Amino acid sequence: GAVVSQHPSRVICKSGTSVKIECRSLDFQATTMFWYRQFPKQSLMLMATSNEGSKATYEQGVEKDKFLINHASLTLSTLTVTSAHPEDSSFYICSAAGTANTGELFFGEGSRLTVL
Amino acid sequence: GENVEQHPSTLSVQEGDSAVIKCTYSDSASNYFPWYKQELGKRPQLIIDIRSNVGEKKDQRIAVTLNKTAKHFSLHITETQPEDSAVYFCAADNSGGSNYKLTFGKGTLLTVNP
Repeated sequence: GAVVSQHPSRVICKSGTSVKIECRSLDFQATTMFWYRQFPKQSLMLMATSNEGSKATYEQGVEKDKFLINHASLTLSTLTVTSAHPEDSSFYICSAAGTANTGELFFGEGSRLTVL
Repeated sequence: GENVEQHPSTLSVQEGDSAVIKCTYSDSASNYFPWYKQELGKRPQLIIDIRSNVGEKKDQRIAVTLNKTAKHFSLHITETQPEDSAVYFCAADNSGGSNYKLTFGKGTLLTVNP
């Protein structure tokens, strides 16, 4: 299947700093990628839909100025958590649809963010 | 928007027994229903999916059934093994299957005891 790589897998930062997480489709082009947030023992909550070459579409309740999404190429989407606070600590996962148009989503490995 | 309910939240079975996880959805326009398995700290992986024009689909020990009238779908795992232990998520896509925007259930922690 298609491979989606996410980096970094773990990051620890100080409160007030910004953190960038990358999501790459390694062997296919993804015009659309998705960003999720997952709290411990909870489900994946869709944060935003990242569209190549256009603005991201954010879900209700997600601050677009805090969670900046850039999808500059067909293989890379980035999520920047700006002015991070401890409550932003979470597991962030991206996904992308494969080119076979089967409807299957391929997920990245996830990035665990800890804000001190 | 779509709302997906998943039950039970935890399920413990003995090795070799069957496990059933059920989900209901609210949007009758939803037409794609995948199931994902997520091991601790790892990425979700698709294990089986079903589309609204099919009532049942099977892949070895895993099967999914869909009842569109009642708006519910279920995952069935037979002859469970310890390596089946994980969190399982159901999801529904009401985008017409074209943009993969999924709404996930809250997950079921399955424990298979040797």
